[in-house]
Amino acid sequence: NAGVTQTPKFRILKIGQSMTLQCTQDMNHNYMYWYRQDPGMGLKLIYYSVGAGITDKGEVPNGYNVSRSTTEDFPLRLELAAPSQTSVYFCASSPLPGLAGGEADTQYFGPGTRLTVL
Amino acid sequence: GENVEQHPSTLSVQEGDSAVIKCTYSDSASNYFPWYKQELGKGPQLIIDIRSNVGEKKDQRIAVTLNKTAKHFSLHITETQPEDSAVYFCATHLVSGYALNFGKGTSLLVTP
Repeated sequence: NAGVTQTPKFRILKIGQSMTLQCTQDMNHNYMYWYRQDPGMGLKLIYYSVGAGITDKGEVPNGYNVSRSTTEDFPLRLELAAPSQTSVYFCASSPLPGLAGGEADTQYFGPGTRLTVL
Repeated sequence: GENVEQHPSTLSVQEGDSAVIKCTYSDSASNYFPWYKQELGKGPQLIIDIRSNVGEKKDQRIAVTLNKTAKHFSLHITETQPEDSAVYFCATHLVSGYALNFGKGTSLLVTP
């Protein structure tokens, strides 16, 4: 299994441009998440999805959109990039919570996308 | 919402010494407490976790303790090695929620 993969690894955007950060997982996890990580800060949740066709806002959703058309993919869209969106973005996935065996709630992270908006 | 405080923000130890990182949380409904290790340029990786019905868990040189009454949990690394150098994050999970609430991280440096 490749786990959680993210593309691109690095990107520089100009203010007002748009882009999509790609995330794919091959573990058949129902739950997927997008976090952003700013220097010296913990990870903050942007959006999450509990299954195909179902998404919901996290702590910092403004300026972002998501979709979940398949179990595997969870892209994050930036429509009008702003300098405040300069950050490292991590996608994660987890099994369906509530299962026995200790695997529930474990989140597996991708390698991240470093985005700079100038 | 849940507030997770993590201390210290930086920690420097000599190889072979022990390292302890502590986190406190505010919501008594939290039921799952993972610790993640993040190496430079990589995503966080789970190293150990504990659930609310357990007080302590060990995995070789790593241990986590949980005090539900005081609402704090700690990561203990014994016999530290240079490859333990990384940023460590604690997190909590609410029984009614889906996502994790992270602390701000501790940068651990192990010097030979």
